[in-house]
Amino acid sequence: EPEVTQTPSHQVTQMGQEVILRCVPISNHLYFYWYRQILGQKVEFLVSFYNNEISEKSEIFDDQFSVERPDGSNFTLKIRSTKLEDSAMYFCASSEDDFEQYFGPGTRLTVT
Amino acid sequence: EDKVVQSPLSLVVHEGDTVTLNCSYEVTNFRSLLWYKQEKKAPTFLFMLTSSGIEKKSGRLSSILDKKELFSILNITATQTGDSAVYLCAGYGQNFVFGPGTRLSVLP
Repeated sequence: EPEVTQTPSHQVTQMGQEVILRCVPISNHLYFYWYRQILGQKVEFLVSFYNNEISEKSEIFDDQFSVERPDGSNFTLKIRSTKLEDSAMYFCASSEDDFEQYFGPGTRLTVT
Repeated sequence: EDKVVQSPLSLVVHEGDTVTLNCSYEVTNFRSLLWYKQEKKAPTFLFMLTSSGIEKKSGRLSSILDKKELFSILNITATQTGDSAVYLCAGYGQNFVFGPGTRLSVLP
């Protein structure tokens, strides 16, 4: 069964560093999303991406964040100048129809 | 501000019990209500509801939406220990807004 994959599974970085989180969505899906979940808190929407551009973004998704689909398979989330409060599980998801989303296993980002 | 509220936040039942999980929402330009099950890591999709009064069913799980009263329920009948998880409700309007989840523990 096709699935969304994410790498790395765990990333440790120092405050102020840039990180890139990678996702490979399901191959025939057209809609892509990033979410984060701070430990013990609810899932928060960051951004959705369709047709090579951002379709929606939340207030969390400020200038520190960017997304890119550099080739036909990868979907990346870049966080510039990481802060301690960026520590969270980051989930990528993809969808064929902008409704039923399939989530990846997540990348746990730890900022020290 | 859009919000999704779930109740109860935590629930402990015994195998075989039936549970009802509640979700109320205030979502601008509402399009749909989604339910997910989150076990150890990533949420897995359960249901998407767009129309009032039409029950969605999958095995022992079922869900219904009331767009007038702005709520949805998720029912699980004959619960099993494998149903233990956090159940998330999300409203989709301008973007996706998740509730805090209901942590369900099913005891043998």
